[in-house]
Amino acid sequence: GAVVSQHPSWVICKSGTSVKIECRSLDFQATTMFWYRQFPKQSLMLMATSNEGSKATYEQGVEKDKFLINHASLTLSTLTVTSAHPEDSSFYICSAIGTSGNEQYFGPGTRLTVT
Amino acid sequence: DAKTTQPTSMDCAEGRAANLPCNHSTISGNEYVYWYRQIHSQGPQYIIHGLKNNETNEMASLIITEDRKSSTLILPHATLRDTAVYYCIVRPFGGSNYKLTFGKGTLLTVNP
Repeated sequence: GAVVSQHPSWVICKSGTSVKIECRSLDFQATTMFWYRQFPKQSLMLMATSNEGSKATYEQGVEKDKFLINHASLTLSTLTVTSAHPEDSSFYICSAIGTSGNEQYFGPGTRLTVT
Repeated sequence: DAKTTQPTSMDCAEGRAANLPCNHSTISGNEYVYWYRQIHSQGPQYIIHGLKNNETNEMASLIITEDRKSSTLILPHATLRDTAVYYCIVRPFGGSNYKLTFGKGTLLTVNP
């Protein structure tokens, strides 16, 4: 199946700093990518939908100025957590949909810890 | 999207079949049933999807009732590595902007 990678797999940062997470589709072109967040013992919550070459669509309650999403190419989307705070500590997961639009492939996730 | 109801947890003996039920009584005619699973601290993994006919692939079988109001995911010979949270999701087929809405899923524990 299609492969989606994320980098880094884990990151620790200090409160107030910004962190960038990359999501790449390795063997297919992804016109649409999604970003999810998952807190411990909870399910995945969709944060935003990212379409190549256009602005991301954020879910209700997600601050677009805090979680900056860029989808500059068909194989790369980035999520930047700006001015991170401890409550932003979470497991961030991206996914990508291929040209068929039927199957959504997920990355391995990025564990963010803000101290 | 239609909502789904799944048991919170299930246990299965290694080597036996694991049957995971899902209720989706409000499913629409254009919605497919998708199954994903998430092993601890990993991203979700696609398993299978179907509309109304039973489906089978190398990972599992999907049995959908005739009225499409429920389905069962079958892992024919469960192994310890199948221990994961299994999510049943309904969404329209195709269309890259159709997002997946994850519920709480079923924690399947495969015991030796």
